Formats: sequence, C-alpha cells, structure tokens
Amino acid sequence: EIVLTQSPGTLSLSPGDRATLSCRASQSVSISLAWYQKKPGQAPRLLIYDTWNRAGGIPDRFSGSGSGTDFTLTISRLAPEDFAVYYCQQYGSSPYTFGQGTKLEIK
Amino acid sequence: QVQLQESGPGLVKPSETLSLTCTISGDSVSTNGYYWSWIRQPPGKGLEWIGYVHYSGRTSFNPSLKSHISISADTSKNQFSLKLSSVTTADTAVYYCASDSAPNRWFLWGQGTLVTVSS
Repeated sequence: EIVLTQSPGTLSLSPGDRATLSCRASQSVSISLAWYQKKPGQAPRLLIYDTWNRAGGIPDRFSGSGSGTDFTLTISRLAPEDFAVYYCQQYGSSPYTFGQGTKLEIK
Repeated sequence: QVQLQESGPGLVKPSETLSLTCTISGDSVSTNGYYWSWIRQPPGKGLEWIGYVHYSGRTSFNPSLKSHISISADTSKNQFSLKLSSVTTADTAVYYCASDSAPNRWFLWGQGTLVTVSS
C-alpha cells in the first residue's frame, strides 16, 4: 500500500497569501494524484486530478504540480473560503490511499 | 444536476452487518462508464477508500476490508449499496458514496452519513 505524507500538518496564512502544500508518496505514482478540499460537515471536493488538471468549476488560483513521489498544491492568492483541510490521494495503484491532510488556517 | 444521498441506520451493534444505500438522482446507476464508490472517514482521522461497483457490475475493494464487504447496484431502484459484515468499533465513521467516470477519483459526493458501532 502506498503511503502519502503531507506537509506541513497545519499552515497558518492570511487571505491574499500564497499557499504551498506538499504531498510525498512512499513509491512512485507517476502523475496519478488528486487533491481534495474538505470543510467540516461537508463532503470532500475534488480540486485537482492527474496532478495538474483542475476539476470542473475550480478557480484557477488552484494549481498542482509534481510527478513520481513529490507533489505540490499551490493556491496563488488565498480567498476566505479556501481555509479548510486539504487531502492528497493517489491512484497509481490499488488500494487508493489518502494523505493525512494539511489544515490551512487563518493567521 | 446529479445528486447522491446516503441512507441507513446510524447505529449498528458490534459483530452485526452495516448496510447503507446511496440513491442517485439526475442520472442512472447504469450510465455507461460510471463507477459508484464508497469512502469513509473515522472521527478525527483521514479518508479511506472502501470499494466501487461499475455500471457493468464489476467490483473492486480495498484489500484491508475485502473479506467483509459487498457492494452492489440495483438498477430498478437506481441505487447502489454497501454491506460491511462483522463490524467493530473501528468501523465507526462518516460513510460517503461518490462517483466519477474514473474508478479511482471522485468528483461527485453524497453529503455523508455517520454510522456508529456500539452496543
């Protein structure tokens, strides 16, 4: 099973800042990586798939990069609604696994 | 607009079977190419993929749960279901149904339902 390690665990930033979230896989997943946003009491929301493709309706301030074992989600200018927990998920091999999450909180 | 809605008991006793249903509106469980999945999140923990059923009836499960799971689709009711047998307190979680044209990522989600395993 591929283990995903996200860093940092918590990121404290202000609206308008740039956020950089990392996800490292225990073995290569090629570009088979997605990012989700989750808010309390809500279902996860798919942001990015295949490392850099934005899902439908996702603002272009969200972008993804990387390949192999190291991946990054960048939010160029944080909006108030972006403060949430972010999960990476790999589908390079089954079982499909998630990282433990990065909490993006308001500074 | 396609929507998914989970339903089922909120409380299950240890060693019993957890049964949940996901009702699809705005689309069909038989839609060509779609995968219908279950994912869960225990309180305070991360997300875990449980398994999926394809519109063709093909299934795939997380090996850690494989011996306890069945997932099936009911085309007459436009639903798909999860059964998890011999549950323990570790199976307490919010259970989500989800869907996508790919088997391994999920664009459409239900709102989730909390299932507590307790005597």
